[in-house]
Amino acid sequence: EVPLVESGGGLVQPGGSLKLSCAASGFIFSGSYLHWVRQASGKGLEWLGRIRNKDYHYATHYAASVQGRFTISRDDSTNTAYLQMNSLKTEDTAVYYCTRDGGNHQFDYWGHGALVTVSS
Amino acid sequence: QTVVTQGPSSSVSPGGTVTLTCGLRSGSVSTSYFASWYQQTPGQTPRTLIYNTDTRSSGVPDRFSGSILGNKAALTITGAQAEDESDYYCLLYMGSDTWMFGGGTKLTVL
Repeated sequence: EVPLVESGGGLVQPGGSLKLSCAASGFIFSGSYLHWVRQASGKGLEWLGRIRNKDYHYATHYAASVQGRFTISRDDSTNTAYLQMNSLKTEDTAVYYCTRDGGNHQFDYWGHGALVTVSS
Repeated sequence: QTVVTQGPSSSVSPGGTVTLTCGLRSGSVSTSYFASWYQQTPGQTPRTLIYNTDTRSSGVPDRFSGSILGNKAALTITGAQAEDESDYYCLLYMGSDTWMFGGGTKLTVL
């Protein structure tokens, strides 16, 4: 069983919006923190942001490169995290991964990723 | 401008030892950066090798080890195998609930 499964990727025009989902299973989702990471084709990994759990009021933090454009949220009732992406640019084209913060700064579970292509 | 620095490439002979490093453009990496290391082969999901500087993730062979060497975080592979040929990324905690990956090192086993 794959702990994290991303969905919602696809083709979007520059300036458009897209919302990715990350469905979790096999662990206590409500107690976990979740991160989003992306990787452009042939490039390295880029940390995008994290959402904490209810105990910490679902606090979110973002990389400067996406602050103000991307929003992370979660629905503990459906064990799903989300990445809302607005004002998309061609340079946002990448595979987007969700990953669990396993504690001690370990990103222990990774999804297989969702491809987002921003192009006209 | 890359804040977290990694060498773009490295090579090792089968059975040999190689150390990959992760530094800062300005400053020194210490245990306060909680360095972690990820292995990724093309087209695959990243795999966690090391976290909290020197703790091996579950199921990771003991030929992989993490440390601080001088002013950098380091990943050492002792007794490299052909299947270790991959891209390796370090991740540093930059404070204020933000993290940053290095640019990655492509390791060739030949």
